[in-house]
Amino acid sequence: EIVLTQSPDFQSVTPKEKVTITCRASQSIGSNLHWYQQKPDQSPKLLIKYASQSISGVPSRFSGSASGTDFTLTINSLEAEDAATYYCHQSSSLPLTFGGGTKVEIK
Amino acid sequence: QLQLQESGPGLVKPSETLSLTCIVSGGSISSTSYYWGWIRQPPGKGLEWIGSVFYSGSAHYNPSLKSRVTISVDTSKNQFSLKVSSVTAADTAVYYCARHSGSGYSYSYNYWGQGTLVTVSS
Repeated sequence: EIVLTQSPDFQSVTPKEKVTITCRASQSIGSNLHWYQQKPDQSPKLLIKYASQSISGVPSRFSGSASGTDFTLTINSLEAEDAATYYCHQSSSLPLTFGGGTKVEIK
Repeated sequence: QLQLQESGPGLVKPSETLSLTCIVSGGSISSTSYYWGWIRQPPGKGLEWIGSVFYSGSAHYNPSLKSRVTISVDTSKNQFSLKVSSVTAADTAVYYCARHSGSGYSYSYNYWGQGTLVTVSS
């Protein structure tokens, strides 16, 4: 099973700051890594697919990148509405797995 | 616009079988272009993949649950279902149904239901 380790677990950030969330895979997964945003009492929402591909309707301040087994979600100029928990998800091999989540709080 | 809606009992007794249905509207579950899945989230915790199914009934399951889980498709009703047998308190979670964005489990989930909380308790 591929383990996805997210860091940090929690981040408190001021509006307009840049946020960086990392997801490290326990083995090679190519670019089969996706990012979701989950707000309280809501279902997850797809933000980025295949490490860096943008999703229609998602603000351009969200971007993704990859380097080997390390994947990064970047939120440029954080807005208050971005307060949420962010999850990475690998679809390279079964069982599909998710990272433990990173909660982003607005200061 | 595709919509998914979970339905089923919110309370299940220990050792019994949890049964949920995902009703799909705004699109056909028989499309050869997509896989459909179930994911769960225990209260205050992260997401866990349960399994994914194609309209033909071909399914993949999480080995941690495989012996207790069955996912099936009813194309005539445009819905797919989840059964988890011999439940314990550890199965208490919000259960989501979702659609993969392509014709395999290797695709991201681009549509999600709102989720339904299932509590296992006597």
